[in-house]
Amino acid sequence: ILNVEQSPQSLHVQEGDSTNFTCSFPSSNFYALHWYRWETAKSPEALFVMTLNGDEKKKGRISATLNTKEGYSYLYIKGSQPEDSATYLCALSGSARQLTFGSGTQLTVLP
Amino acid sequence: EADIYQTPRYLVIGTGKKITLECSQTMGHDKMYWYQQDPGMELHLIHYSYGVNSTEKGDLSSESTVSRIRTEHFPLTLESARPSHTSQYLCASSGEGEPPLHFGNGTRLTVT
Repeated sequence: ILNVEQSPQSLHVQEGDSTNFTCSFPSSNFYALHWYRWETAKSPEALFVMTLNGDEKKKGRISATLNTKEGYSYLYIKGSQPEDSATYLCALSGSARQLTFGSGTQLTVLP
Repeated sequence: EADIYQTPRYLVIGTGKKITLECSQTMGHDKMYWYQQDPGMELHLIHYSYGVNSTEKGDLSSESTVSRIRTEHFPLTLESARPSHTSQYLCASSGEGEPPLHFGNGTRLTVT
């Protein structure tokens, strides 16, 4: 079983602040790294799937980077808004092509 | 608009009962998955299927069983529910290659 770690576990920021979270994973047997946003009472929603070292992806105010050699990915949110409040999950797809999820970072954006 | 549907959304049931959690998707995806999540913990894969009549157990041992008789349908069954089965169960599907998962809204199961 692959070990995927996310930090911090939870985070409170003020509206308008920018923030970032980390996802760490073993660099061997890497195939892809997924990011999902999970809002309360909804289903997890895919944000990004990244496969190449140095990948950077962007979706509105949210962006992500990937470093497969050192085994980490960062998720950035620029100018946080209350609607960004959610749990952000990262998941690693390894050689078995099954996703192993981290425990998530719970973000609360205070108005 | 949901393309993957789970029912029921919430279920409270007594010990020893047989239950089936339903999952259906309208996207024609061959790959389907069941994840279990205890509060504050990671999503753990308990079952997956790569097509009709194909089912495999995931990383987390589970007493549940699954079937895949039709592409769009992937039900999960507990023959005799126990309090240790209390958890959230999420169904997901994906297409070919390395696409993201599409998740259902989940079923929150409580066994008393």
